[in-house]
Amino acid sequence: NAGVTQTPKFQVLKTGQSMTLQCAQDMNHNSMYWYRQDPGMGLRLIYYSASEGTTDKGEVPNGYNVSRLNKREFSLRLESAAPSQTSVYFCASIGLGITEAFFGQGTRLTVV
Amino acid sequence: QKEVEQDPGPLSVPEGAIVSLNCTYSNSAFQYFMWYRQYSRKGPELLMYTYSSGNKEDGRFTAQVDKSSKYISLFIRDSQPSDSATYLCAIEVVGKLIFGQGTTLQVKP
Repeated sequence: NAGVTQTPKFQVLKTGQSMTLQCAQDMNHNSMYWYRQDPGMGLRLIYYSASEGTTDKGEVPNGYNVSRLNKREFSLRLESAAPSQTSVYFCASIGLGITEAFFGQGTRLTVV
Repeated sequence: QKEVEQDPGPLSVPEGAIVSLNCTYSNSAFQYFMWYRQYSRKGPELLMYTYSSGNKEDGRFTAQVDKSSKYISLFIRDSQPSDSATYLCAIEVVGKLIFGQGTTLQVKP
C-alpha cells in the first residue's frame, strides 16, 4: 500500500518556466489537498478538492492551478514559476474523517 | 488573525525532560484538534487528535484542549532524542486542515 505518492521529489526551475507536480493516492479517498511549507510558516493550503470534479482555493492560490484528473490523482501546476514559489510542496489525501489524513513525502522545488 | 497560531521555537531540552507545546486558535466553534509530527525531510504524520475538549493520553504523549481559553497543548513526558522533530498543531475548518507554524523540538542526549 503506497499511500500518497508525489513526483518529482526534487526540481529546479528557472524563473518563467512551467511545471506540474503530480500526486496520486491509492486509499480511495475523496478529498485531496496541496500545501506548501516554508520556514517559520507551517503548512499553508494552496488548493483542495473535496471530491472528483471539484476544486477550491485555499489560503495561497495565486500563481497556481490544479486539476483533479480522477479520484486518485490531483496535480498542481505552476504556469510561470517565480522565486517566491521556492518551497516544499506536500500533497495530502483525507478519508471519511478529518483525522484520516495522509501526506506524501514532499516535492522540494527551487526557482532560480 | 490567523485561525491557529503556534510558537515556532526552536525548543531544545535535555533527554528525560517534560516538553510542553502550545497553540492558540481563534474560533470557539472548532471541534477537531490535531497534532502532527514531522521528521526532517519527511511528510507530516498524525500523532494524536482530540474531539471537542479535554485530555487524551497515548503513552508518553498527552493532548489537551482548553476551549474556554482556546488553547491546545501537547505534553511529552520522558522526552527522547527520537522525539526530535517539528510538531504541528492543526484544526479542522469546514473540512479543511489548517496548520499552525510548527515548533521544532530538539531533545539532546
